[in-house]
Amino acid sequence: EDKVVQSPLSLVVHEGDTVTLNCSYEVTNFRSLLWYKQEKKAPTFLFMLTSSGIEKKSGRLSSILDKKELFSILNITATQTGDSAIYLCAHAGNMLTFGGGTRLMVKP
Amino acid sequence: NAGVTQTPKFRILKIGQSMTLQCTQDMNHNYMYWYRQDPGMGLKLIYYSVGAGITDKGEVPNGYNVSRSTTEDFPLRLELAAPSQTSVYFCASSYDHGGNEKLFFGSGTQLSVL
Repeated sequence: EDKVVQSPLSLVVHEGDTVTLNCSYEVTNFRSLLWYKQEKKAPTFLFMLTSSGIEKKSGRLSSILDKKELFSILNITATQTGDSAIYLCAHAGNMLTFGGGTRLMVKP
Repeated sequence: NAGVTQTPKFRILKIGQSMTLQCTQDMNHNYMYWYRQDPGMGLKLIYYSVGAGITDKGEVPNGYNVSRSTTEDFPLRLELAAPSQTSVYFCASSYDHGGNEKLFFGSGTQLSVL
């Protein structure tokens, strides 16, 4: 059974801090790893990673995948209160398997 | 641009009642999915469909049924509601398998079974 584990479960930081969110996975048929941001309702897509070592970047957010060690990280630099959300990692194998999420709170 | 539309947004059911959560997408996507999200948890796949007429079970299918008579619609049926089905339900779609394409989510249905 595919498994995706995220850490930490929750995180409280202050504006301007840098955070690193972790995602490890055990899968039988790796296709890609995806990151989503969930604020009030539906998750919104952030990144899709398929190759090791290639960083994807969007503004203050970046993500990288390590297929040998089976993990991915999501970095957010210079955090803002608008970054407060649940961040979900998902592995796409035979079906999309989500981790439990990391709840990030950014205080002013 | 409607995308993925779910109805209703909120619903309260009594134990043993039945209901159908509606989901429709206008992007001509082949793949559609139903997830549930319990408080503080990630999303768990209930059922998915790879095209009209084809459905398959996900991780947590018990207590639910689906059908896919058209490309656009993928309703989720709860036959005998139980308190354990209190959750937020998300419908999603993608053109290709979720491994190659990002998912587009509906806005969710908050269901309480009392």
